[in-house]
Amino acid sequence: DSGVTQTPKHLITATGQRVTLRCSPRSGDLSVYWYQQSLDQGLQFLIHYYNGEERAKGNILERFSAQQFPDLHSELNLSSLELGDSALYFCASSVGLAGGYYNEQFFGPGTRLTVL
Amino acid sequence: GENVEQHPSTLSVQEGDSAVIKCTYSDSASNYFPWYKQELGKRPQLIIDIRSNVGEKKDQRIAVTLNKTAKHFSLHITETQPEDSAVYFCAALSGGSYIPTFGRGTSLIVHP
Repeated sequence: DSGVTQTPKHLITATGQRVTLRCSPRSGDLSVYWYQQSLDQGLQFLIHYYNGEERAKGNILERFSAQQFPDLHSELNLSSLELGDSALYFCASSVGLAGGYYNEQFFGPGTRLTVL
Repeated sequence: GENVEQHPSTLSVQEGDSAVIKCTYSDSASNYFPWYKQELGKRPQLIIDIRSNVGEKKDQRIAVTLNKTAKHFSLHITETQPEDSAVYFCAALSGGSYIPTFGRGTSLIVHP
């Protein structure tokens, strides 16, 4: 157990709908990262928040948004869902902003989103 | 930005054999290279990492080597066991970055 929690574990919804995925980081971690993992794809970085502020954006669609709350949990909002949005969504947390070795990311168990 | 290529995409070995997974990176400023193991349906977990000031690092049956000149690094697993079966991801980070660039993953299958 990494200490990172994600809810829900599974989510099945229809095209055009909106869903919210939730992530709670490890105790003491200020950074939260969101990743998308599609079938046969690697881990695609979506967005990073540090202590409530957006710090980096990756390949995140305009239909997707995220935020990190004062208690440091984060939510990823996916709207106008399409079939191609079906994927595993992971969040990860780390202590801070130090690069590389000093900033190991711990992954949550993921949310499996199925869009029908 | 950084680009990480990983090969092979699938690797099938017999129990007890060795397995090697190779990655190349494009950004010469990258200086930290973690490897993650993802078992089926589970989260990625860090299994070993190497910094650019080190050429090789070992941890029991796994080792990672780094060639900065050629900009490639490899994961070596010796005496493979069925529980080694998983998808392995390499990643690279530059000194000023905290966002890893991941390879596309290698599915390792160890046959008993």
